[in-house]
Amino acid sequence: EIVMTQSPATLSVSPGQRATLSCRASQAVNNNLAWYQQKPGQAPRLLIYGASTRATGVPARFSGSGSGTEFTLSISSLQSEDFAVYYCQYYNNRPPERTFGQGTKVEIK
Amino acid sequence: QVQLRESGPGLVKPSETLSLTCTVSGDSMGSFYWTWIRQPPGKGLEYIGHVFFSGSTNYNPSLKSRVTISIDTSNNQFSLKMTSVTTADTAMYFCARDALFCSGDDCYRGFDYWGRGALVTVSS
Repeated sequence: EIVMTQSPATLSVSPGQRATLSCRASQAVNNNLAWYQQKPGQAPRLLIYGASTRATGVPARFSGSGSGTEFTLSISSLQSEDFAVYYCQYYNNRPPERTFGQGTKVEIK
Repeated sequence: QVQLRESGPGLVKPSETLSLTCTVSGDSMGSFYWTWIRQPPGKGLEYIGHVFFSGSTNYNPSLKSRVTISIDTSNNQFSLKMTSVTTADTAMYFCARDALFCSGDDCYRGFDYWGRGALVTVSS
């Protein structure tokens, strides 16, 4: 079973600054990696799939990068609506497997 | 616009069975994995399992012995049953659509539509 580890657990950032979130897989996962944003009281929202492709409607300030075991979600200039919890998620097709990281909370500094 | 909506009892007694249904509107159920994900209060997301429109299923190994997911394409619904629940099963339960995104030969998956969630509390 592949384990996804996110760091840091909490990231304090000032509005307008850049945020960089990390996700590490215990084994290589190719680019089978997605990122989600979750605000309090809401369901998660898909931001990135395939490690680097933005989902429909996601602002360009969100970008994903990485491959293999190391992945990064960057938010270039934090807006007030970006303060949330972010999860990475790995999947495999054969055998089917879906695993979330434990999340990174981005809070206002 | 695709919409998912969870329904079911919000309170379940320990040792009993949790039952939830997700109703899908705005699209057919074909060619997607229909998924249940849960989130205990203040904690992270946990994949429970999914069902394909054909009826084939996959479950989280840690929950497999207690979970059954089924689909009713004629009514655009899929369901979750979890037996022998304990207080550790108290969580927000989300249903979600697991979709495939392709660009040329490159295809990747992601949960693109989610329900709002149903809070299930296990308590006597």
